[in-house]
Amino acid sequence: GAVVSQHPSWVICKSGTSVKIECRSLDFQATTMFWYRQFPKQSLMLMATSNEGSKATYEQGVEKDKFLINHASLTLSTLTVTSAHPEDSSFYICSARSGGWATDTQYFGPGTRLTVL
Amino acid sequence: AQKITQTQPGMFVQEKEAVTLDCTYDTSDPSYGLFWYKQPSSGEMIFLIYQGSYDQQNATEGRYSLNFQKARKSANLVISASQLGDSAMYFCAMREVTGNTGKLIFGQGTTLQVKP
Repeated sequence: GAVVSQHPSWVICKSGTSVKIECRSLDFQATTMFWYRQFPKQSLMLMATSNEGSKATYEQGVEKDKFLINHASLTLSTLTVTSAHPEDSSFYICSARSGGWATDTQYFGPGTRLTVL
Repeated sequence: AQKITQTQPGMFVQEKEAVTLDCTYDTSDPSYGLFWYKQPSSGEMIFLIYQGSYDQQNATEGRYSLNFQKARKSANLVISASQLGDSAMYFCAMREVTGNTGKLIFGQGTTLQVKP
């Protein structure tokens, strides 16, 4: 089956620094990637939808300048948490869609655990 | 607006017994898909089963079956013959087809613990 990777799998950073998380589709081209955030014992909350070559669409309440998303190629999307603070500590998960239709399967990455000190 | 509700924060089941995890949804879109995912402590999202809104039969995948009651807008997951490895968090999710966004909206999740 299709594989989505994320890097790094975990990261610890100091408050005020920026952190970049990569999401790659390894064996298929992903026209659309989704970024989710998950706090402990809670549900996944969609942050943004990322389409290759265009600006990401952010969900209501998600700060665009705080969470920069770039989808420069059909196999790579990046999420940059700028000027991270302890409240940004969370589990970030990406998923990638293989086709252009809403019914196409989404494949999830293994997630990245961010801890901001 | 679409909404997914899982009313069971936590569930216990004895090993080898069956368990039902509840999920109700709300949508005005006549075309939608319903998913169940398993998330073990490692964090990865494992796809379990899918049910399309127009599917006539309830979906089944091995020990997993989906009890789809369209009129009641419920899509409960049934796990038969529970195993210790089934202990995890389970999420119900919905995807609307109209608008072609492909976005998945998740329920709050149910933590399942299988007792030996």
